[in-house]
Amino acid sequence: QVQLQQWGAGLLKPSETLSLTCAVYGGSFSGYHWSWIRQPPGKGLEWIGEINHGDIIHSGSTNYNPSLKSRVTISVDTSKNQFSLKVNSMTAADTAVYYCARGFRIITDWGHGTLVTVSS
Amino acid sequence: QSALTQPPSASGSPGQSVTISCTGTSSDIGFYNSVSWYQQHPGKAPKLMIYEVNKRLSGVPDRFSGSKSGNTASLTVSGLQAEDEADYYCSSYAGNNNLIFGGGTKLTVL
Repeated sequence: QVQLQQWGAGLLKPSETLSLTCAVYGGSFSGYHWSWIRQPPGKGLEWIGEINHGDIIHSGSTNYNPSLKSRVTISVDTSKNQFSLKVNSMTAADTAVYYCARGFRIITDWGHGTLVTVSS
Repeated sequence: QSALTQPPSASGSPGQSVTISCTGTSSDIGFYNSVSWYQQHPGKAPKLMIYEVNKRLSGVPDRFSGSKSGNTASLTVSGLQAEDEADYYCSSYAGNNNLIFGGGTKLTVL
């Protein structure tokens, strides 16, 4: 049973950079896509992006939500079975619970979520 | 890419059936059989219920079923139970390596 454990700063000031990391335990890290998804308080889910660790040819390639692409970077550390999210130039509109997850078209497993609040 | 359209709320009495719709376009739901449904209880992470339009994840009760017609996907919950009360989200692959979600539907068991 795979478990995703995520961590990172929960309170940011406007213009700061969000940095979150997700560690994968109890399952294979290779052979899967790994995504980040967010949910503003009381609102719906929004896919942020994913990193492809699913096959040799595309391994390490990333895809991002077009609306966030200019501010987002997703990276992977295969030696630690971890992947990370960075979002720069954060504003109040980026306040949300951020989830790491396994999968892309089909999200099979989710982290517990991290509430990130942007406030001056 | 716009979000998929779901009704904000749905309800039914225990034992009844309820259907939640998820409307997209010919570029997402209408083109790809990559529709998933997620259940989210308050304060919890979403949980995958249905994938590829109508495939139930192992362990999901067969009271949950999915379907698609044209640009609209649907989730039907039959034999409603109290524990089915939750928010439900659809998602669809939208091409160009992009994934979109619906706005969510709050299901109330009366």
